[in-house]
Amino acid sequence: AQSVAQPEDQVNVAEGNPLTVKCTYSVSGNPYLFWYVQYPNRGLQFLLKYITGDNLVKGSYGFEAEFNKSQTSFHLKKPSALVSDSALYFCAVRKIGAGSYQLTFGKGTKLSVIP
Amino acid sequence: DADVTQTPRNRITKTGKRIMLECSQTKGHDRMYWYRQDPGLGLRLIYYSFDVKDINKGEISDGYSVSRQAQAKFSLSLESAIPNQTALYFCATSDPTSGGEREQYFGPGTRLTVT
Repeated sequence: AQSVAQPEDQVNVAEGNPLTVKCTYSVSGNPYLFWYVQYPNRGLQFLLKYITGDNLVKGSYGFEAEFNKSQTSFHLKKPSALVSDSALYFCAVRKIGAGSYQLTFGKGTKLSVIP
Repeated sequence: DADVTQTPRNRITKTGKRIMLECSQTKGHDRMYWYRQDPGLGLRLIYYSFDVKDINKGEISDGYSVSRQAQAKFSLSLESAIPNQTALYFCATSDPTSGGEREQYFGPGTRLTVT
């Protein structure tokens, strides 16, 4: 079985400060990892993914995430938060390999950037 | 995302009624998915389809059925709606690839209330 944990239901950060949204995962084997963002009354939008290679992945809107295999983590980061970054963020994992096609999402973390 | 559309966007129905949610996409993707989102639970996969003749159950398929009428259309049915099916429903699409994992593209969602 595969699972994702987002330990913080909500993260508050001041505009201009760095932000981190945490994600840890559990899979038997190597993972594909994703971050999606959901703005109010909208569907999810893809931010970035880790497939293989460089552990630091850069994505849309200045976001990046670091894959840490030993800690089974894939935390989302941004050097300087904007008010417009306020949204619900989801981490997702899928096991690499044939016969495993389901993407498992975390419960989501609400990010609030305070002006 | 205008490339993935869902109808209706909002629906209120009574317990025991049959209801169909529709999803259409213009992205030309082979793979389509239905998820439900509940507060605090993230997204959970209901059904997924890799092509017109390939439909698979997801994590929570009980009480739901699907139909893949064409590459571009994937419908979700609740045969006899019950109140705990009240949720936000998302359709998503993706493109298969032989190397890695492609991201999913989500529709705007259908908010379903069962009274």
